[in-house]
Amino acid sequence: GENVEQHPSTLSVQEGDSAVIKCTYSDSASNYFPWYKQELGKRPQLIIDIRSNVGEKKDQRIAVTLNKTAKHFSLHITETQPEDSAVYFCAASRGTYKYIFGTGTRLKVLA
Amino acid sequence: GAVVSQHPSRVICKSGTSVKIECRSLDFQATTMFWYRQFPKQSLMLMATSNEGSKATYEQGVEKDKFLINHASLTLSTLTVTSAHPEDSSFYICSAPSPDRGGIGHQPQHFGDGTRLSIL
Repeated sequence: GENVEQHPSTLSVQEGDSAVIKCTYSDSASNYFPWYKQELGKRPQLIIDIRSNVGEKKDQRIAVTLNKTAKHFSLHITETQPEDSAVYFCAASRGTYKYIFGTGTRLKVLA
Repeated sequence: GAVVSQHPSRVICKSGTSVKIECRSLDFQATTMFWYRQFPKQSLMLMATSNEGSKATYEQGVEKDKFLINHASLTLSTLTVTSAHPEDSSFYICSAPSPDRGGIGHQPQHFGDGTRLSIL
């Protein structure tokens, strides 16, 4: 079946450094790719998304890139801060509304 | 912005109890809502799609008689865990697609705060 692989599962970076999280999807029909940030015990929050007709999107310190041919998409966080520490999930659309979520990346930003 | 409210946030009850969780879209209508289950340190697993005015659609391996879903109105979906057992203990979270952006298939989902269910 369709799945989304996400790497790495854990990531530690020094404050101020960049963090990159990568996802690979299998369903060629997927056309919408959101990224969510989830703090411990809280709801996932949408931080950025990208559609299949765009290769890159940026919002301040956060950027997402998409390679449809390779079925890869990545989250880039620059100038990381301690408050960026959380679990990040990528997702790929499935059908009209559904998502398939990646396995998550636990990001720790060390002060 | 679109807000989804989920209640209760935490439930602790004895084995055999049925537990109802509510998911409300506060400032928009949602004909479709989703129910997820999340185990500690794991991803969100889609359990079912809740459809207003019709039966829910369950993902493979999810027992529909165990997890009853009712989408009573355009702003409310409920998940009832029937005769809950310790293995049903988990974090349950709902979501609804935003009405604000894009066309079909391009709508970000907004999540409720989740319900932590503990069955003793």
